[in-house]
Amino acid sequence: KNEVEQSPQNLTAQEGEFITINCSYSVGISALHWLQQHPGGGIVSLFMLSSGKKKHGRLIATINIQEKHSSLHITASHPRDSAVYICAVSYNNDMRFGAGTRLTVKP
Amino acid sequence: KAGVTQTPRYLIKTRGQQVTLSCSPISGHRSVSWYQQTPGQGLQFLFEYFSETQRNKGNFPGRFSGRQFSNSRSEMNVSTLELGDSALYLCASSLDAGGYNEQFFGPGTRLTVL
Repeated sequence: KNEVEQSPQNLTAQEGEFITINCSYSVGISALHWLQQHPGGGIVSLFMLSSGKKKHGRLIATINIQEKHSSLHITASHPRDSAVYICAVSYNNDMRFGAGTRLTVKP
Repeated sequence: KAGVTQTPRYLIKTRGQQVTLSCSPISGHRSVSWYQQTPGQGLQFLFEYFSETQRNKGNFPGRFSGRQFSNSRSEMNVSTLELGDSALYLCASSLDAGGYNEQFFGPGTRLTVL
């Protein structure tokens, strides 16, 4: 079993929809990261969380340490949000990654 | 500030050869981490360097090695290349070592082994 599980694997939404991507992990972590990867490979760090909630523009990330669960929300989704979203955890001076969620937002 | 740069961006090698990839971190960042991304295994941690010292290494064979210079630039080397080493190799820099620091990723080097 992977230490980091993401769901769903693929997600298709209509422009304007509210989107939620989930991440569960099974190890003790020092921080959780949400990453965005566009076609071509470049990765951008969206959030780093160790507790609570963070918001940046239309993106919101939450983490529940007791339940070992995090969610990434996108409000008013837009076609430019189409990308792969990856959850990663910092663990024992290491970083473990989820398999990613491929999001497609249709106009 | 300039972002993380990686050279070369694309590389084609044949089995048995060796390869060296380079990563220049954001100015002032002292930690550099390397990752391998393949369609089958996804993203995997290779190693992290801080102040010219390897802090941690992922589950990769000894053919994968790296180093960091006094200016924080880092190189990774893969010897005796295998077909399965074909991947996107990403480096990321952060201000300090450890998992509490935001990582800034470079564009990656796409290695193809024939």
